[in-house]
Amino acid sequence: QVQLQESGPGLVKPSQTLSLTCSVSGDSISSGGFYWSWIRQRPGEGLEWIGYISYGGTTFYNPSLKSRITISVDRSENQFSLRLDSVTAADTAVYYCARGDGYTVGADWGPGTLVTVSS
Amino acid sequence: QSVLTQPPSASGTPGQRVTISCSGSSSNIGRNTVNWYQQLPGTAPKLLIRRNNQRPSGVPDRFSGSKSGTSASLAISGLQSEDEADYYCAAWDDSLDGHYVFGTGTKVTVL
Repeated sequence: QVQLQESGPGLVKPSQTLSLTCSVSGDSISSGGFYWSWIRQRPGEGLEWIGYISYGGTTFYNPSLKSRITISVDRSENQFSLRLDSVTAADTAVYYCARGDGYTVGADWGPGTLVTVSS
Repeated sequence: QSVLTQPPSASGTPGQRVTISCSGSSSNIGRNTVNWYQQLPGTAPKLLIRRNNQRPSGVPDRFSGSKSGTSASLAISGLQSEDEADYYCAAWDDSLDGHYVFGTGTKVTVL
């Protein structure tokens, strides 16, 4: 049973970079066929897909965030990471990492981590 | 921003059947399969239905999904108190180089 766990700072200043890591256990992040996503949920709002990195290392980003996002993988640590540049208060959200396949984002989810953007 | 529209709320008494609609377009539901997620209060979403009508292991058969044209539906039969949650539909959208979109969400209340 795969398990995912987000980690990173809970508070980021405006204009700075948000960096989060998702640690994966119970499966190799290099396993064929899986896509590793980041999704966020602003307080009291719905879900927004941020992007994914595939088992082969291909990245695919939400066009609305593409200019500010980098998703990368550290296979030696079995982790993948999110970098979101130039944050504003609008980036305050619970950030989830998730595993899916080619049809489904988020067959398995981490518990989420709240990131607040504030000075 | 969401291009998948759901009713904001739905409700029913225990044992009733509740249906949630999800309206999209030719670039998303019209071309791609639909997934449904359940989000209990204060928890991460959980995949409920994948690829229009497939239940992942462990999901009760009270939950069923369907799709027709550019719309999809989630039905909950024999509503139970533990079904009180937010429900989201989602699909890949082939516009703007492609991206995954979630519905606006529906809050289900068990009366």
